Amino acid sequence: QQQVKQSPQSLIVQKGGISIINCAYENTAFDYFPWYQQFPGKGPALLIAIRPDVSEKKEGRFTISFNKSAKQFSLHIMDSQPGDSATYFCAAPSNAGNMLTFGGGTRLMVKP
Amino acid sequence: GAVVSQHPSRVICKSGTSVKIECRSLDFQATTMFWYRQFPKQSLMLMATSNEGSKATYEQGVEKDKFLINHASLTLSTLTVTSAHPEDSSFYICSARIGQGAFFGYTFGSGTRLTVV
Repeated sequence: QQQVKQSPQSLIVQKGGISIINCAYENTAFDYFPWYQQFPGKGPALLIAIRPDVSEKKEGRFTISFNKSAKQFSLHIMDSQPGDSATYFCAAPSNAGNMLTFGGGTRLMVKP
Repeated sequence: GAVVSQHPSRVICKSGTSVKIECRSLDFQATTMFWYRQFPKQSLMLMATSNEGSKATYEQGVEKDKFLINHASLTLSTLTVTSAHPEDSSFYICSARIGQGAFFGYTFGSGTRLTVV
């Protein structure tokens, strides 16, 4: 069964700093690697996703870096803002179906 | 974009009663939906895969007689928590895969906070 390991579990960053969250996966049925942002009491919302025809994808302040050989991908949040304070989950497709398996989550706090 | 509408957002029920949670795909057809459970400060754990017109597939350790899933149409999947107990209190979230080929992704409902008292 797919295992997705996410680190760190929690992260505190000063406003304007860079937040970096890492994820490692095992085998997947297909290549699609998303990051989700979740606020308390809400469902996860897609932040950014990468399909590994590229090694990096940038959308505004958010960047995914992907290393297929190492089976790792990371999320970089540039110029972190207090509004970015949330829990972030990486996910990877199961190797046995269409479902996503989630990492353990990272609680990010951006201090003003 | 593709939206999954989940209701109710919050429900409080007495121990021993049953609760139904609905997920509707609003502008697309979902032949498959996924049901996740999330305990406080934990990650989302897949409970089951709901397939339109056929039986759901449950993950190991999830009681199929307790968590009844019905996917009777291409736009509606329901999860019924039967004989609920306080330990079933959790955040339940549905999801559907959308798109195809190189343009696919997953959309999530807004979640249901179940509290069993």
